[in-house]
Amino acid sequence: AQSVTQLGSHVSVSEGALVLLRCNYSSSVPPYLFWYVQYPNQGLQLLLKYTTGATLVKGINGFEAEFKKSETSFHLTKPSAHMSDAAEYFCAVKFWNTGFQKLVFGTGTRLLVSP
Amino acid sequence: NAGVTQTPKFQVLKTGQSMTLQCAQDMNHNSMYWYRQDPGMGLRLIYYSASEGTTDKGEVPNGYNVSRLNKREFSLRLESAAPSQTSVYFCASSEPGVRSDYGYTFGSGTRLTVV
Repeated sequence: AQSVTQLGSHVSVSEGALVLLRCNYSSSVPPYLFWYVQYPNQGLQLLLKYTTGATLVKGINGFEAEFKKSETSFHLTKPSAHMSDAAEYFCAVKFWNTGFQKLVFGTGTRLLVSP
Repeated sequence: NAGVTQTPKFQVLKTGQSMTLQCAQDMNHNSMYWYRQDPGMGLRLIYYSASEGTTDKGEVPNGYNVSRLNKREFSLRLESAAPSQTSVYFCASSEPGVRSDYGYTFGSGTRLTVV
């Protein structure tokens, strides 16, 4: 079965530290991959996406993610965390089956940033 | 440029009451979706509409009905609300298409409490 796994429901970092949020998927065919961010009491906002081409993709607010086919991963990173990065992050995958393709979301990782 | 608009933003219902959540998009998207978000479970698809005139069940459709009123509007109805339907509901829209790399545009959500 196709699935998306986000390791760690909560990740805590200090301001200025590296941010690493993990996402793995299971699929026999490379899917399209997305990261969304949700700030408190708001909807989800697209952070970045991978479709084809370069496997390292850059998004908004200094975030980037690398698609690694051999590891079936699409981890999200940011070199230096800022207080404003505190939010919940969702990895999402669009699998290719017959019929209509839909996004499947991971369970989310809440990023906590301390001063 | 409103994007996806959901109403109401907050609602408290008594068990057994009914209500309709409204969603409208102004991006001329063909596809629309209803998700519910619960702690630790990410976003789960309730229903979707691939195009005007069609609707299909998602992952958790029980207790809900939908109507794709026109290309812009996609409503979600709870006929007899239950406490288990306490959640945050998100509407989203996108362009479909074979191997589309479009992400989804989300509304800001409806926070529903059933007592």
